[in-house]
Amino acid sequence: AQKITQTQPGMFVQEKEAVTLDCTYDTSDPSYGLFWYKQPSSGEMIFLIYQGSYDQQNATEGRYSLNFQKARKSANLVISASQLGDSAMYFCAMREGLTGGTSYGKLTFGQGTILTVHP
Amino acid sequence: DGGITQSPKYLFRKEGQNVTLSCEQNLNHDAMYWYRQDPGQGLRLIYYSQIVNDFQKGDIAEGYSVSREKKESFPLTVTSAQKNPTAFYLCASSILSANEKLFFGSGTQLSVL
Repeated sequence: AQKITQTQPGMFVQEKEAVTLDCTYDTSDPSYGLFWYKQPSSGEMIFLIYQGSYDQQNATEGRYSLNFQKARKSANLVISASQLGDSAMYFCAMREGLTGGTSYGKLTFGQGTILTVHP
Repeated sequence: DGGITQSPKYLFRKEGQNVTLSCEQNLNHDAMYWYRQDPGQGLRLIYYSQIVNDFQKGDIAEGYSVSREKKESFPLTVTSAQKNPTAFYLCASSILSANEKLFFGSGTQLSVL
């Protein structure tokens, strides 16, 4: 079974509007972390935002926010006021077993969503 | 500037040849990782290392080998046993903390001649 599912292969948004990129995950571990990365055409992966499973509040980082719904096992990324430079591939990723100390860096990635921002 | 340097940017492999991808970091991170990305796909973990002279297999280690002789360096060798090596390879590093993000290099595109 897929641990991370991103159901939107591609998304389009008008510049200055908000967009939500979907991510659902599957884990039986009570302690996990969820990450979003941006991959522009240059190929480098850029960290955007992190949400821990025990965090009480949804994470926010500037124009990025994470809509974390634990019961639904979803961690959607919301980008507000889209910019042309936001056009890229976006990946959701999960790290399990945070309390065990053995899972450092072992991120499981989804298939990604290509976001295109139109002027 | 601190960061992760991967070289070369593009690499071509002939049939039966081993090739080595370089990854160097000056972030003083303990942990380093190699991921493979196929077109339109997510990243899959090949190998990772949390300390010098120690490393563990990831999800798709077959046909690959690594070494970690120095903290700063984590080269990946794609051996002739890897029958489908064409992919984009990303190296990453992090400190050893549960919620710590990975820092990535700019990647190496490996193609078969």
